[in-house]
This record gives sequence, structure tokens and C-alpha cells, in this order.
Amino acid sequence: SQQGEEDPQALSIQEGENATMNCSYKTSINNLQWYRQNSGRGLVHLILIRSNEREKHSGRLRVTLDTSKKSSSLLITASRAADTASYFCATESSNYKLTFGKGTLLTVNP
Amino acid sequence: DAGVTQSPTHLIKTRGQQVTLRCSPKSGHDTVSWYQQALGQGPQFIFQYYEEEERQRGNFPDRFSGHQFPNYSSELNVNALLLGDSALYLCASSKDRGLSQPQHFGDGTRLSIL
Repeated sequence: SQQGEEDPQALSIQEGENATMNCSYKTSINNLQWYRQNSGRGLVHLILIRSNEREKHSGRLRVTLDTSKKSSSLLITASRAADTASYFCATESSNYKLTFGKGTLLTVNP
Repeated sequence: DAGVTQSPTHLIKTRGQQVTLRCSPKSGHDTVSWYQQALGQGPQFIFQYYEEEERQRGNFPDRFSGHQFPNYSSELNVNALLLGDSALYLCASSKDRGLSQPQHFGDGTRLSIL
């Protein structure tokens, strides 16, 4: 079963624009993580935000977490063609496993 | 510093056969988790191995089994293959069962069932 649900399912933007992806989940969590997957490859960890944190930055990435609304957002600023990939949110509860959403396919056009 | 390696990269089997997939964790990691990713979907957790024991299992039938060796590498075995088992199988490694840690993924094994 999928806990996280990303929105939108697909997003197409021009290079230099910002991209925002949202994630909603259903149960209480220890943390929420965002991963990137290039076509046919494994997942690459981007950022982890704990349940007691509200916002986190890493380079061009900004993640917010609202536990009252059970939602998170990932903002990629000044996007590049190399950012083209699928982006997944994953929630971790107390049972040591990650539960992934279906992902957002981001296309950045040169 | 070698990352997570998986073998083989691609595999074609027929229904009813059995398959074994292999994973070597990132150097310094002792925990291996396996995921199944169907086309267009997010990864689904199969199980996690730590200290050579299965510690956590997702919603997968007993046809899916695994093993972890003393060097922390792991195998995923699937018996009586079904068409629906066609997917990308991903291995992820971490330390100390990985709670609140990033998971390091391999590039996966693409399994096709004919």
C-alpha cells in the first residue's frame, strides 16, 4: 500500500523556473524523505525532514513539513535540464520501513 | 568507496521458474532492505535484513524470501514466478536498521517474466 501521494503526477517547466511538488500521507511519521530517480536507475536520497522540523534546505532544495495537515512540499529553485527525473516522497514510521508514493515526473525543458 | 551493487542488471524468466537476485551493501552498512518497483509506481517494501535475520516484512507472499550473509550481502529469492512479478527490484542499505537515516539504493535488477 502507498502512504504518500505526490501531486502533481507530472510537471513540465522551463530551465530556470522553480518546481514545486507536494506529498500527502495518512498516518503519523518519524520522518519524511524525498528521493530522485533517473529513468531506469536507482533512487538517490535528497533530503530527510524529521517530524519535529518544519522546514529544511539543501542547496537548491527546500522542503517543508506540516504534520497537522499530513503534507510536505519539495521546491527546486532555478531548475536545470539535469533535474529531469521522477521525485518520490517516502514516510518512515516506527517500523523501520519506508513507504513511498507514486512519484512526480519532472521534465525541465532547455 | 563502493556504493550498493546489485546483480544481475537484467533477467528474463518464464512463469513458474525461480530467481535469485543479489545485493552488496555500501561499505560500512549492515542493513539491507529490498523493494519491488512496478512500472510507473513507487517502490514497495518487501523485507529488511539485519544481523542475518528478517526483521520487517511488507505485504508480500511467502514466495518471496531472502537471506543475509555474514559479510552483510543479501539475496532475494522468488519462487513460482508470476507475470505480475515483472518489475525493477531495488536493494537499499543503511546502518543499524536505518531508522531516521537516508537509504542508499543500488540501480536495481530488471526482472521480466514471459
